Amino acid sequence: SAVISQKPSRDICQRGTSLTIQCQVDSQVTMMFWYRQQPGQSLTLIATANQGSEATYESGFVIDKFPISRPNLTFSTLTVSNMSPEDSSIYLCSVEGAGLAGVKFFGPGTRLTVL
Amino acid sequence: SQQGEEDPQALSIQEGENATMNCSYKTSINNLQWYRQNSGRGLVHLILIRSNEREKHSGRLRVTLDTSKKSSSLLITASRAADTASYFCATDEKGAGKSTFGDGTTLTVKP
Repeated sequence: SAVISQKPSRDICQRGTSLTIQCQVDSQVTMMFWYRQQPGQSLTLIATANQGSEATYESGFVIDKFPISRPNLTFSTLTVSNMSPEDSSIYLCSVEGAGLAGVKFFGPGTRLTVL
Repeated sequence: SQQGEEDPQALSIQEGENATMNCSYKTSINNLQWYRQNSGRGLVHLILIRSNEREKHSGRLRVTLDTSKKSSSLLITASRAADTASYFCATDEKGAGKSTFGDGTTLTVKP
């Protein structure tokens, strides 16, 4: 299994500001995934982050709003830019288990509230 | 839109009863996974079933997969209050490593 930590665990931000969320994995992984979970909803994939290349964004998500960095095989950041109350969600980092194709492990999530 | 739809959206049962949740999806898949989430926290992987498998067991969990109907079910037997959580199915499409999640079922097990 993979152990994933996220920082911050929660934050309350003012509209128009930006927040960077960090995701650290205890082992090297090829792909890291960023999900958003709006209140009472399921998970929606924002983007897939591969080391050494630009992130691949899903429909409805753009790099200007959600820039992602992936400097190495154990770390990634997601920035939520120019925030509005609609960005209030839980943001989750996920990786696929080494040798466990298809099994995803999740970080504890970052609960973001935008006022 | 989400790949999967789950039903029921909410399920309330007594401790000791069985709970069945269903998931339907739209595309060809490599595998289907079930996850549990407690109170908006991170997800915990429960079980994965591959597209060439029809049934899988893990402890009190039983998962079935019918690729002709593009559907799966999760059965939790002899439920406990600690099973109270949201349960999500997720699918990995052929050729893609990402997982797409269903809408989820909220299970409440009353002591």
